[in-house]
Amino acid sequence: DGGITQSPKYLFRKEGQNVTLSCEQNLNHDAMYWYRQDPGQGLRLIYYSQIVNDFQKGDIAEGYSVSREKKESFPLTVTSAQKNPTAFYLCASTPQGGREYTDTQYFGPGTRLTVL
Amino acid sequence: AQKVTQAQTEISVVEKEDVTLDCVYETRDTTYYLFWYKQPPSGELVFLIRRNSFDEQNEISGRYSWNFQKSTSSFNFTITASQVVDSAVYFCALSEATYSGAGSYQLTFGKGTKLSVIP
Repeated sequence: DGGITQSPKYLFRKEGQNVTLSCEQNLNHDAMYWYRQDPGQGLRLIYYSQIVNDFQKGDIAEGYSVSREKKESFPLTVTSAQKNPTAFYLCASTPQGGREYTDTQYFGPGTRLTVL
Repeated sequence: AQKVTQAQTEISVVEKEDVTLDCVYETRDTTYYLFWYKQPPSGELVFLIRRNSFDEQNEISGRYSWNFQKSTSSFNFTITASQVVDSAVYFCALSEATYSGAGSYQLTFGKGTKLSVIP
C-alpha cells in the first residue's frame, strides 16, 4: 500500500543528545514537510522540501536540521540546540511539490518525542 | 496574514447527537483553499475535505457535511448522528493562492477542536 511511514512511534532522548526522526513515503510525491504539534496547539511548520537536495526553513526551524538525499526520504534531526523538543512530530507530503495552492497534504502517523 | 480560528476547544456530545465544529478564517486573497483534517487518538492526520473559494456549494459525504459561507468567512463541519468513532481532534486549515515567496504555498492550521462522543 502507498503511504507515509514514520519511525519510531515513540522516542526518548536525554538532554544534550541529537536524535533523528525518520519519514519515508512511497507515493512518489515531490514535496515533504515536517510539523511540530504541542498539546492544544495546531501544527507548526519546521522544514519543507520541494525537490531532492533542496529544503527550506519553516516557521520554527531553529534547533532542527533536515536532509533530502532521496525523493522518498526526509529525515528530521532534533539537535541539542532545540530548547524544548518534547512534542509530537508529523511528516507530510504533497503530489505537486507544494507549487500549487491546491495541493493536499497527506500525513504520516507521527513520532512522539520525549526528552528525559 | 492568513489566520484560522477554531473557537471551540473541546466539545462533548452523546452518541447519535448532531454536532457542528466551527471554523473562521482570515485572508486577503480572493482565491484560496480550505481543508478539514481529523486526528484520531492514534495521531495521524486524516484528510477529510478540500474546498476552493469559488465553490460555495455545501458538501455532504455520508454523515459528514460542510457549510462554506464566504460572507462570514466560515467553513463549518457538521457530523450527523455522531458515533464513538468520531471522537478525535478536528483541524481546519487554509491555503492561499498567493505565492508565499518562500518556495511553497503555506498551509495554516487552526488549533483544533477536540470532539468526544459519549456512548
